[in-house]
Amino acid sequence: EVQLLESGGGLVQPGGSLRLSCAASGFTFSNYAMRWVRQAPGKGLEWVSTISGSDGSTYYADSVKGRFTISRDNSKNTLYLQMNSLRAEDTAVYYCAKGTSYSGGDFDSWGQGTLVTVSS
Amino acid sequence: QAGLTQPPSVSKGLRQTATLTCTGNSNNVGNQGAAWLQQHQGHPPKIISYRDNNRPSGISERFSASRSGNTASLTITGLQPEDEADYYCSAWDSSLSVWVFGGGTKLTVI
Repeated sequence: EVQLLESGGGLVQPGGSLRLSCAASGFTFSNYAMRWVRQAPGKGLEWVSTISGSDGSTYYADSVKGRFTISRDNSKNTLYLQMNSLRAEDTAVYYCAKGTSYSGGDFDSWGQGTLVTVSS
Repeated sequence: QAGLTQPPSVSKGLRQTATLTCTGNSNNVGNQGAAWLQQHQGHPPKIISYRDNNRPSGISERFSASRSGNTASLTITGLQPEDEADYYCSAWDSSLSVWVFGGGTKLTVI
């Protein structure tokens, strides 16, 4: 059974930094693309970033490009999201999601999410 | 990055049929189709249909997806109380190289 467990969320001041982690189990982690998707309170889903399972290619939404960095440690089956220069509009529940192929595919498994609140 | 268009809400009666729509363009829905996600209040999303319109294991046959041109549809037959949830569509936009989501449809079973 696929399991994804996010951690690292919390309250941070505007301009601050935070690193999210997503521990994966139940599948061969290195074989699949992984993503971060966020959901602001009472709002819809927004794709944030993708990292491929094979060559580690990365992709970002315009809203976070240059501020967020996605990475993975296949030896630890863990996905990361380094978030810098945080803004109030980054406040959201952040989900990690598994793709269906090494390069992408649909979002077929999701974690429970971790809440990031950016506020002074 | 423009998203996909979904009606904000749909209300149907118990045991009726609901059809939810998701409209994009030729670079996203019209290109590779749309997947559908179900999200109950306070829970993470769960995929209920892949972009090729196939259902994941364990998803009821009451859920079926289709596509016509740039519009994807999710049909739910024999509505049950547990079907009340938010439904999102998602697609890969090959022109923008980004994943796009619809704004979500809140399905109410009355």
